[in-house]
Amino acid sequence: DIVMTQSPDSLAVSLGERATISCKSSQSLLNNSNNKTHLAWYQQKPGQPPKLLIYWASTRDSGVPDRFSGSASGADFTLTISSLQAEDVAVYYCQQFYGTWTFGQGTKVEVK
Amino acid sequence: EVQLVESGGGLVKPGGSLTLSCAASGFTFDTYAMNWVRQAPGKGLEWVSSISSGSTYMYYADSVKGRFTVSKDNARNSLYLRMDGLRAEDTAVYYCARELRHCTAGTCSLSFFDLWGRGTLVTVSS
Repeated sequence: DIVMTQSPDSLAVSLGERATISCKSSQSLLNNSNNKTHLAWYQQKPGQPPKLLIYWASTRDSGVPDRFSGSASGADFTLTISSLQAEDVAVYYCQQFYGTWTFGQGTKVEVK
Repeated sequence: EVQLVESGGGLVKPGGSLTLSCAASGFTFDTYAMNWVRQAPGKGLEWVSSISSGSTYMYYADSVKGRFTVSKDNARNSLYLRMDGLRAEDTAVYYCARELRHCTAGTCSLSFFDLWGRGTLVTVSS
């Protein structure tokens, strides 16, 4: 199975500041048949189901604010919130869908 | 409204069985693969099972293989998860999630989950 490792486990960021979450996969997630990177990011607020934020490593889902962005470098992935808002407090998960699906352990984002 | 609604959770004794349901509405159910994902109390997300749009392919996590069975009824717009031999470690909120697989030249790649239900809680305890 492909292992996804997120860091940090939690971080506290001041409102309006940048939040950066890392995710590493145990192998490449680049699918050569479609030339796409099979990685997604989800946001889960307390008491709610997960919500898709980003897929193909860097494509924002419909309606997701542009302060959320995703990037990839080999097997290293980053989710950036450019200017943290109070409503962004949540746990964020990366997920690979290159093989049968696995999630990172989650990163809890709080306001400092 | 596009939505998924899970039901069927509850309290069951170890070794018991339970069947979860997921009712889909507002979209063309038979064009989507569907998945079950669970979340133990205070823990992260764990993918459990997947079924292709026409029920041709099913996949299971090693932790549930041989005990859980996924099925899909396109006529009823419903997804199911039959859970047998339940263990304490199966205690979790179970979510159903929609997946649109992309196919090229007859080969379909696994994909992300773009719609989730609110979940149903399964508690395995004596």
